[in-house]
Formats: sequence, C-alpha cells, structure tokens
Amino acid sequence: DAGVTQSPTHLIKTRGQQVTLRCSPKSGHDTVSWYQQALGQGPQFIFQYYEEEERQRGNFPDRFSGHQFPNYSSELNVNALLLGDSALYLCASSLGQGYSGNTIYFGEGSWLTVV
Amino acid sequence: QQQVKQSPQSLIVQKGGISIINCAYENTAFDYFPWYQQFPGKGPALLIAIRPDVSEKKEGRFTISFNKSAKQFSLHIMDSQPGDSATYFCAASMVGGGADGLTFGKGTHLIIQP
Repeated sequence: DAGVTQSPTHLIKTRGQQVTLRCSPKSGHDTVSWYQQALGQGPQFIFQYYEEEERQRGNFPDRFSGHQFPNYSSELNVNALLLGDSALYLCASSLGQGYSGNTIYFGEGSWLTVV
Repeated sequence: QQQVKQSPQSLIVQKGGISIINCAYENTAFDYFPWYQQFPGKGPALLIAIRPDVSEKKEGRFTISFNKSAKQFSLHIMDSQPGDSATYFCAASMVGGGADGLTFGKGTHLIIQP
C-alpha cells in the first residue's frame, strides 16, 4: 500500500519564477492538505482540498494556489517566487474533510530552494 | 501569533531514561492533539494522539498527558532508545472543519545518548 507520494523531491528555482509540486494521496484517502516547513520550524498549514475544491486556507498569500484532480491527487502552485519561499513543502492526506480524528499521513516532502 | 508553544527546543537524554516534551495551547476550540516524529529528510509521522475527554493515553513506550484546565499536554517517552533520536512536534486542530488544519509547535530536537 503506497503512502503519500510527492514529486519532485528537490528543485531549485529563481526568484520570480513559478513552481508546481505534485502529490498523490495514500490509497483510499480523498482529502489532501499542503504544509510549508521552513528549516528548523514546524509545518504551517497552507490549504486543504476535498472534492476538488479548496475547503480551508491558512495565512498564505494568493501566490499560493492549488488544484485537486478527480483521482484525488493534487498540485501546489507558487507564483512569483520569493527567497522566503525556500522550504520543505509537505503534502498530507486523510479520509473525509473536516474530521480531525482521522489519521493524517504526510509525504516526505519536496525541498524547494529559491535563489 | 503562535497558538501552540513547545518546549524545550532541544533535549539530551541518556539511553533508558525518560524524555519529556511539553506543549501549551491558546485556542480552547482545539480538541485533537497529535504528536509527530520526524527524522531528517523525512515527512512527519504520527506517533500518538489524544482527545480532551481523557487525561492520559499510552501506546507502548509513548504516553500523552493532557491537562485541559491548564491548556497543556506533554509527551513522555519511557526507556528512551538511540533510535528515538528525532525531532518531535506537537500539534492541535479542531474537529468538524477547523479552519487552520493542524497547528504545529516549533519542534523539539531529541538526542538519546547511548
């Protein structure tokens, strides 16, 4: 049973560019959330997708956007990259939207470096 | 505004000892409190979680103690082993569609000395 898979694992972008990160949830899960983890910090919630719609959003600017596909996979897009966007981006999946009692599984993340 | 405060930032414990990590939260609407373990280069993995209707939950060597009135909860790792060396995060969220997903503490870097 594959867990949460993310791609790419590492990438380097230049300031002002755009990046797309991809996530496949754990088998059977229908909810995908994205988190940003800066070096030495805890993960911060970006947004959550359920039934192909953004359901919840953390305190992140509109430069951060996403998408969920019918097969529940998801993409995170970041436009106009800033140096401060350098971080580990984590995808998390769970079953059902809004019930935090379900276990949330994290992928191994995508390391983004902005230069 | 940091809604979950975690301490200590780093912790060194001898093999076989008890590791204790503490967290305090501000939002009384939180009602789900998980602990995650993260190894370098890996994503966080759920260790153990508690709901506020119980004061303690134990799974193997890991125990969560929860004090609702003080808005505090802690992780105890009994008989700590070198393989437990990792970064530990406490987190909190709300059942039923909490707006902020999981809110994490800043993490505790735990080193178990052999």
